[in-house]
Amino acid sequence: GAGVSQSPRYKVAKRGQDVALRCDPISGHVSLFWYQQALGQGPEFLTYFQNEAQLDKSGLPSDRFFAERPEGSVSTLKIQRTQQEDSAVYLCASSLGSGRGRQTQYFGPGTRLLVL
Amino acid sequence: AQRVTQPEKLLSVFKGAPVELKCNYSYSGSPELFWYVQYSRQRLQLLLRHISRESIKGFTADLNKGETSFHLKKPFAQEEDSAMYYCALYTTGGGYQKVTFGIGTKLQVIP
Repeated sequence: GAGVSQSPRYKVAKRGQDVALRCDPISGHVSLFWYQQALGQGPEFLTYFQNEAQLDKSGLPSDRFFAERPEGSVSTLKIQRTQQEDSAVYLCASSLGSGRGRQTQYFGPGTRLLVL
Repeated sequence: AQRVTQPEKLLSVFKGAPVELKCNYSYSGSPELFWYVQYSRQRLQLLLRHISRESIKGFTADLNKGETSFHLKKPFAQEEDSAMYYCALYTTGGGYQKVTFGIGTKLQVIP
């Protein structure tokens, strides 16, 4: 079946521009995660949804970052007034849920954001 | 606070040599540990989970709560094992999930 997809795969933005990154999780997956991965680093947690509810947004670095999942499937990560330090790969992952045996995350290919 | 430490950013071994990728975690509760792998030009994918006690592609990992470690091991490295390996710590509570990844170790298997 189809895996997690993300679009766009690459995005170049001018500093100050707003961007929107899309994630299509695996159908039926309850949990959805966003991560930021800087060069040479591991994925850093940004936010987590269970269905449409955003249960944890403690990893969002500033109020310029906003994520939503209004119908419990597709999710959008929006970054307003982008800064150069926002340049990174943004990963989306989904899983069946939070219970034991359901936590395996399936990752998308990522969106590589470059802010000039 | 929970933390995952992978002390080696790069590990080079010869083909056929044993491999051990180290992972230590910091968490006061009952952890669930995973290893994820990213091969060149591929997406991050699950390698194995401690609750499964399985061997995948010859790799095993044992959770040692006393040493708070979850090292990944393989007795004989193969060239196709060259990849980035990430250790991840999952914690749950009240329906929440918290996931912390390590910085990753690049495994380079020399022919």
